[in-house]
Amino acid sequence: QKEVEQNSGPLSVPEGAIASLNCTYSDRGSQSFFWYRQYSGKSPELIMFIYSNGDKEDGRFTAQLNKASQYVSLLIRDSQPSDSATYLCAVMTGNQFYFGTGTSLTVIP
Amino acid sequence: SQTIHQWPATLVQPVGSPLSLECTVEGTSNPNLYWYRQAAGRGLQLLFYSVGIGQISSEVPQNLSASRPQDRQFILSSKKLLLSDSGFYLCAWSVLNGRGRRGYTFGSGTRLTVV
Repeated sequence: QKEVEQNSGPLSVPEGAIASLNCTYSDRGSQSFFWYRQYSGKSPELIMFIYSNGDKEDGRFTAQLNKASQYVSLLIRDSQPSDSATYLCAVMTGNQFYFGTGTSLTVIP
Repeated sequence: SQTIHQWPATLVQPVGSPLSLECTVEGTSNPNLYWYRQAAGRGLQLLFYSVGIGQISSEVPQNLSASRPQDRQFILSSKKLLLSDSGFYLCAWSVLNGRGRRGYTFGSGTRLTVV
């Protein structure tokens, strides 16, 4: 079983819609959770992190964490074509980071 | 401010040639440093990580090696490149923030093509 699992997509949403990206993790001891955005040919860029159960909002982005169910999600409101990228979920367990393989998102104008 | 530098940005090397990629971090001390490889359309593969000078842990047996000669310098090397070494190489660093939480930041990456 992989440490972190994501649906690879591709996920397509129309411009202005809400994009919902999901991630599950296997280790209940994981304590920190991150979302990275990676444009084609570029390195991953941190866009959100969350440590506690519940929601965390930053602009159009909301990260949601449910430790009991071992999932973390990212919602992108008012999706823009510039949000088209691959989104990587990362989980920190102890001193190790584990990355999902990413979900490809395309926002259609 | 804390920054990470990685070079070169792109590299084309023949099979059998040596490789040296360098990563340096500024604005912090005693970071954990990591080398990842991302093959085309694939996820991130952790190759090496280091928690201090001269301390290297290898995650996957590779045709590669890593060294950390200075606190903020991390080098990825190969004596003889294989075609399968092609990929996008990323350096990352991790430090504890003021809340005792560990952040994780990537360098800009090196795209290596072995021909």
